[in-house]
Amino acid sequence: SQQGEEDPQALSIQEGENATMNCSYKTSINNLQWYRQNSGRGLVHLILIRSNEREKHSGRLRVTLDTSKKSSSLLITASRAADTASYFCATAMDSNYQLIWGAGTKLIIKP
Amino acid sequence: EPEVTQTPSHQVTQMGQEVILRCVPISNHLYFYWYRQILGQKVEFLVSFYNNEISEKSEIFDDQFSVERPDGSNFTLKIRSTKLEDSAMYFCASSVWRQGDEQYFGPGTRLTVT
Repeated sequence: SQQGEEDPQALSIQEGENATMNCSYKTSINNLQWYRQNSGRGLVHLILIRSNEREKHSGRLRVTLDTSKKSSSLLITASRAADTASYFCATAMDSNYQLIWGAGTKLIIKP
Repeated sequence: EPEVTQTPSHQVTQMGQEVILRCVPISNHLYFYWYRQILGQKVEFLVSFYNNEISEKSEIFDDQFSVERPDGSNFTLKIRSTKLEDSAMYFCASSVWRQGDEQYFGPGTRLTVT
C-alpha cells in the first residue's frame, strides 16, 4: 500500500455510534495528521500527533499512533450527522516534512 | 478567525490556455503550499514555498507550473498551457512555521479544462 493508506474506504454508521478509521504508512515520520473534508470543500485540520506520542485527544476525537506497526487510528465518539465527511490522514516525513496523503475514508452518519 | 482565501472558486478554460489561481495565505504564516485533488481521488502535493522560493516540489510540478508571491499577501499558481488532465480542485494552504506543522487550507478553486 502507499504511504498514508486509510481503511475502510467507506463507513456508514448510525448517529450516536463510534466511528473508527485507520491509517497505515511505510516510512519513518515526524508526525501524522488527520484532516476532514466536507463534500466539495477545503480540508480542515483536526489533530496532529508526533512520532513520540502514542495517544492524543481533542473533544470527541481520539487518535492513536503505533510507530512499530506504522499505523494510526482516529476514533470519533458519539457521532453526529455533521460528522459526515471524508477523513484523510497525512504523514509528515522525517526527511523533508512533506505531507503525504492517503486516499481517505468516506464517513456517513445516518440520523 | 484568520483564514486562507482563494479566487476564483471556479475557473473554466480551454486546453492550451494559461490560468492563474490566486491565494491569500494567513498573514503570519511562513510556508505556503499548493495541492490538487482530482475528483474523488487523493490529495496530491504540488509545491511548497518559503522565503520567496520553492522549497519542495513534486514530479507533478513540471515546467508548465510556476508559483509566485507577487506582493506581501498573494500567492499564485500559474499553469502555462493547460491540459485536460489538469482539471481538478486546487487547494492553497499555509502553515505557521515548517512544512510538517498543521496546515490551513483554502476552500479551493475548481479548474475545468475543456
